[in-house]
Amino acid sequence: AQSVTQPDIHITVSEGASLELRCNYSYGATPYLFWYVQSPGQGLQLLLKYFSGDTLVQGIKGFEAEFKRSQSSFNLRKPSVHWSDAAEYFCAVVRPNTGFQKLVFGTGTRLLVSP
Amino acid sequence: KAGVTQTPRYLIKTRGQQVTLSCSPISGHRSVSWYQQTPGQGLQFLFEYFSETQRNKGNFPGRFSGRQFSNSRSEMNVSTLELGDSALYLCASSSAIGTTLYEQYFGPGTRLTVT
Repeated sequence: AQSVTQPDIHITVSEGASLELRCNYSYGATPYLFWYVQSPGQGLQLLLKYFSGDTLVQGIKGFEAEFKRSQSSFNLRKPSVHWSDAAEYFCAVVRPNTGFQKLVFGTGTRLLVSP
Repeated sequence: KAGVTQTPRYLIKTRGQQVTLSCSPISGHRSVSWYQQTPGQGLQFLFEYFSETQRNKGNFPGRFSGRQFSNSRSEMNVSTLELGDSALYLCASSSAIGTTLYEQYFGPGTRLTVT
């Protein structure tokens, strides 16, 4: 069965420090990959996506992610974290070329930003 | 362009009752998916509708149902509510066409509390 692992439940980062959130997937083939962010009481906002091509993808709010096929990973990074980045981050995958819109999510990583 | 809207935002129901939630997708999007988010199970796919037809279904009991109208608006219904149905229900829309997948954009969710 397809699965997505986000090994870190919580991460605390100082404001201005760099951030890396980990995501590993288990799939029969390379899926389409996404990162979403959720602020308390809100829906999910798409940060970035990877379908194919360049393995380093840029997203909104200064985030980027790198797809590494050999490691089945799609880690999210930001060079300098702002207090407003405190939220929960979800990695998600979907099986390509099937028309199936079913997103499979990881369990999420809650980011805390300290002053 | 307006985002995905969901109504109502909050709902309190009693065990045994039924509930209907509504979702209006982004203009031009024909695919609408529904997800349930709970602290214990995380984000789980309920079903997807495309052009008024259910295209995919997650692993939920038959008490959960949905439909899509000709204007792409969608509703989901939960009958005979149980305490475990308390969750944030998220709707997402996509411009998916056939087997070509595009990213999903989420609404703010409906918070359902069953007492």
